[in-house]
Amino acid sequence: DAGVIQSPRHEVTEMGQEVTLRCKPISGHDYLFWYRQTMMRGLELLIYFNNNVPIDDSGMPEDRFSAKMPNASFSTLKIQPSEPRDSAVYFCASSSKIQGSQPQHFGDGTRLSIL
Amino acid sequence: KQEVTQIPAALSVPEGENLVLNCSFTDSAIYNLQWFRQDPGKGLTSLLLIQSSQREQTSGRLNASLDKSSGRSTLYIAASQPGDSATYLCAVLHAGGTSYGKLTFGQGTILTVHP
Repeated sequence: DAGVIQSPRHEVTEMGQEVTLRCKPISGHDYLFWYRQTMMRGLELLIYFNNNVPIDDSGMPEDRFSAKMPNASFSTLKIQPSEPRDSAVYFCASSSKIQGSQPQHFGDGTRLSIL
Repeated sequence: KQEVTQIPAALSVPEGENLVLNCSFTDSAIYNLQWFRQDPGKGLTSLLLIQSSQREQTSGRLNASLDKSSGRSTLYIAASQPGDSATYLCAVLHAGGTSYGKLTFGQGTILTVHP
């Protein structure tokens, strides 16, 4: 099984540019999560989807951030316009259910640097 | 608001030692507690998941316990090896309210096992 796939692995761009991060969850997983990891704040949940529908986006920091899941095998996280404080590692994770004994499976992340 | 604290922040031990990592959380309304491992530049790998009704889980040299009433969990690593060097993260899955389905992470314990 291929695991959660994220692209790109690294992104360096200038302030003000649009950034799009991509995620392919594990096939058959109904839940998809976007996290951000920084030294100061650790790992924070930004948004999660169930069956392609956003369930909770209370962690999205600002209107500059948006996420979509057009189908069960693809999701994007977009930042427009980007700012230096958005620099972080962004992780996507998926799971087959919320409750019980099913852990979340994480991708290797996208390391984003905004200059 | 759920807060997860991990102690110690960093730990350095010689190979072969048994060690304990600690995690505490403030809200006992959880579905489960998960321990993850993160290697540099990589995503998180799920090690053990303890459901709220369980007391412990074991996998190889790893044993995790959960005392939900006191808000504590420990991860025990037996006969540590250099390959165990990584950051270990504890996370709790919220059971209800506005935080339903969310994982809250601790800041992690950086473990170094030297030969």
